Amino acid sequence: QVQLVQSGAEVKKPGASVKFSCKASGYTFTDYYMYWVRQAPGQGLEWMGWINPNSGGANYAQKFQGRVTMTRDTSISTAYMELSRLRSDDTAVYYCARGRYSSSGYQYYYYMDVWGKGTTVTVSS
Amino acid sequence: DIQMTQSPSTLSASVGDRVTITCRASQSISSWLAWYQQKPGKAPKLLIYDASSLESGVPLRFSGSGSGTEFTLTISSLQPDDFATYYCQQYNTYSPYTFGQGTKLEIK
Repeated sequence: QVQLVQSGAEVKKPGASVKFSCKASGYTFTDYYMYWVRQAPGQGLEWMGWINPNSGGANYAQKFQGRVTMTRDTSISTAYMELSRLRSDDTAVYYCARGRYSSSGYQYYYYMDVWGKGTTVTVSS
Repeated sequence: DIQMTQSPSTLSASVGDRVTITCRASQSISSWLAWYQQKPGKAPKLLIYDASSLESGVPLRFSGSGSGTEFTLTISSLQPDDFATYYCQQYNTYSPYTFGQGTKLEIK
């Protein structure tokens, strides 16, 4: 079955960086985009960006531009997201999610069909 | 950015009730809308995509409708397992994808 296994919880100090991993199994890793979404305590869902595992191309939400980097290692079917210059308001659960698409003509519309269990990051001095 | 607004924010209902959650987009998103269910401490789960397509394995009591700017998620007969928070998300425009603020479905 399709599964996304995320790395374990992290505690970081303000200004540090954190790198998350998301290991995919049960499907061809390069056939689906990978998305990253975060959720602050008691808050809603916030999209951070996506990576195309086939090409390595990525698109980031403007809010995180300059602080986030998404990469992948196709040899081990794993996607990574690094977030730098951490602040206390980056404390959240970070999810990876597989992107599936519908098409209309030559355009593709992606939604998130399978999610990892999430990685909790606590940023505190 | 496209803003997604859900109503109500909280909904109290009983097992067996029919409930409807509304999601409004700040501009037309055609039918490019998904609904997710999230339980405490768990990841979101896809229920509906393309506004009205039921994800495989999701019970038939869940249905979605709408297009343009107004969408609804309906649960025809609430079951105990359905008490959770529900989010809509637009994917008409990918930069950025945006979610509604969530609707918490509580037991009356």
